Amino acid sequence: DGGITQSPKYLFRKEGQNVTLSCEQNLNHDAMYWYRQDPGQGLRLIYYSQIVNDFQKGDIAEGYSVSREKKESFPLTVTSAQKNPTAFYLCASRQGRETHEQYFGPGTRLTVT
Amino acid sequence: AQTVTQSQPEMSVQEAETVTLSCTYDTSENNYYLFWYKQPPSRQMILVIRQEAYKQQNATENRFSVNFQKAAKSFSLKISDSQLGDTAMYFCAFMKTSWGNYGQNFVFGPGTRLSVLP
Repeated sequence: DGGITQSPKYLFRKEGQNVTLSCEQNLNHDAMYWYRQDPGQGLRLIYYSQIVNDFQKGDIAEGYSVSREKKESFPLTVTSAQKNPTAFYLCASRQGRETHEQYFGPGTRLTVT
Repeated sequence: AQTVTQSQPEMSVQEAETVTLSCTYDTSENNYYLFWYKQPPSRQMILVIRQEAYKQQNATENRFSVNFQKAAKSFSLKISDSQLGDTAMYFCAFMKTSWGNYGQNFVFGPGTRLSVLP
């Protein structure tokens, strides 16, 4: 089955630790995205990548970092510099020019205490 | 910059009834796409329906249909014969069509929480 996987579903970390959230897609999509969702709010764009070895900051990139070494993978690192990291994180991908909708993974709930 | 507004934070509807969710957007673009996404309690985001701005005909997917008013910049979602499984957050989203840079073109509204009551 083609799709987007995010692991783990729930993640717990101590304050001050960096943590990496996984996002893998086997849809052969060009673009990938990371969003943050806080309770009662919409999605806010953290980072996006259009092609391998290229990525751009979104609206709330501070305290986060990404890499895109492979087309299938777009991991997100939440660094200790992120002041309020507890949130629900969604990864998405999009094929490119022929189709425009984004397909989403199941999300990772990160709790930092 | 584009903005998307959903003026109804919460709505409820009786099972089998019809409900309409509102969405307005602000853009100076002429070519764009609009989407409705559903996020049930599982939190998986699911595409419900999409509309190309250049098409005058309103999109329909089974019980879901839209009323796209381009001049008014309005894009409402109608759910007919509501089912308990329709209970979810619904997000309206705007995407600018830009062949040169399709990375940062999606804008989501704040969402409407819909409850379908038995």
